[in-house]
Amino acid sequence: DAGVIQSPRHEVTEMGQEVTLRCKPISGHDYLFWYRQTMMRGLELLIYFNNNVPIDDSGMPEDRFSAKMPNASFSTLKIQPSEPRDSAVYFCASRLRQGLRHGYTFGSGTRLTVV
Amino acid sequence: DAKTTQPNSMESNEEEPVHLPCNHSTISGTDYIHWYRQLPSQGPEYVIHGLTSNVNNRMASLAIAEDRKSSTLILHRATLRDAAVYYCIPHNQAGTALIFGKGTTLSVSS
Repeated sequence: DAGVIQSPRHEVTEMGQEVTLRCKPISGHDYLFWYRQTMMRGLELLIYFNNNVPIDDSGMPEDRFSAKMPNASFSTLKIQPSEPRDSAVYFCASRLRQGLRHGYTFGSGTRLTVV
Repeated sequence: DAKTTQPNSMESNEEEPVHLPCNHSTISGTDYIHWYRQLPSQGPEYVIHGLTSNVNNRMASLAIAEDRKSSTLILHRATLRDAAVYYCIPHNQAGTALIFGKGTTLSVSS
């Protein structure tokens, strides 16, 4: 298994531009999570899905952020318009509901820089 | 969510055992104790988890206090590759999400 795949690995964009981050979870995993990591705030949960349905989006900072999961093998996190304070590493993770023998699996992250 | 307390940092020498403590005095009866680690420039990685009994796997051992208010992650022989931030996370597996604290930064010297 290739694990959780995120793209792009790095993204540099100008303030005001739209940014889309992508995630492919492990096949068969029914939960998908988006996290954001900064030096100041550490790892923060943004939103998570179960069977493609958003369960908790209380961590989404503001309306500029949106996330979708159109099918079991793909999710996007979109920021529109982007701001310099959105600069962070964004991680996607997935897991199975039943039994956490192997825990959550995280992707390698997308490092976003907004200038 | 249960509050956890971990030391900000710890140091170890290569090939020595490392005991990483975690206090979680407000843990609920249904919370498992999860440990994850994050190597530099990587995403978090699952290490181990348990409920009441001590647990062992190829990466580490987890010792859980009888009252479940604390636990200790044990790396039996630290290697340079074990230098990472270690997170202790009480987690109810019934459909919720991991919530990360600040963790313990482990440094390993050769």
